[in-house]
Amino acid sequence: GAVVSQHPSWVICKSGTSVKIECRSLDFQATTMFWYRQFPKQSLMLMATSNEGSKATYEQGVEKDKFLINHASLTLSTLTVTSAHPEDSSFYICSARDRRGGRLNTEAFFGQGTRLTVV
Amino acid sequence: AQTVTQSQPEMSVQEAETVTLSCTYDTSESDYYLFWYKQPPSRQMILVIRQEAYKQQNATENRFSVNFQKAAKSFSLKISDSQLGDAAMYFCAYRSPNYGGSQGNLIFGKGTKLSVKP
Repeated sequence: GAVVSQHPSWVICKSGTSVKIECRSLDFQATTMFWYRQFPKQSLMLMATSNEGSKATYEQGVEKDKFLINHASLTLSTLTVTSAHPEDSSFYICSARDRRGGRLNTEAFFGQGTRLTVV
Repeated sequence: AQTVTQSQPEMSVQEAETVTLSCTYDTSESDYYLFWYKQPPSRQMILVIRQEAYKQQNATENRFSVNFQKAAKSFSLKISDSQLGDAAMYFCAYRSPNYGGSQGNLIFGKGTKLSVKP
């Protein structure tokens, strides 16, 4: 149980285009989903937190108009990188929290990640 | 704000031996959660072990155990009988409790790259 599926696993796009990344909780409902960015050989940095049915909360320095997050249901959150540029190339990882209480709610379940390359 | 520090960028261990990865953190909260995650070359984040701050007993999961020193704000990971498959990046992470307005996101250290020599 507690599987998070992230799609696509890798994508190459041209500069100026937009890319959508999906994060799905397959066997649980996720009240909250998190989007992280990881540069090569570095740690995971939180970009934004999305709650189902409300606007995402972005971390300082993250452009909300560039990284659009939609959490339309309890099982799906999407991250759209708009007008992508080479500097947006990175590894993006989502994680989700189970809406149920107890131990399940305190643990974060991660997707497989998406490697984005903008050329 | 909470911070997590991993002072060992790289560590190496001989197969079947024991290795300890260090992690310290800074917080003013009394209730929180600590985690060790493993990130192999596939980059999938895998939970290794977790510790609730209110529990004095150190968590253990098979060959993995922690030394949790709350007063010292230290949370080290011990890997016993190291295996080749243990080679990966290891991240220490902190999480605030569910109450008090926290969204529950993880704060990660910079990671320690563990190599296992056959």
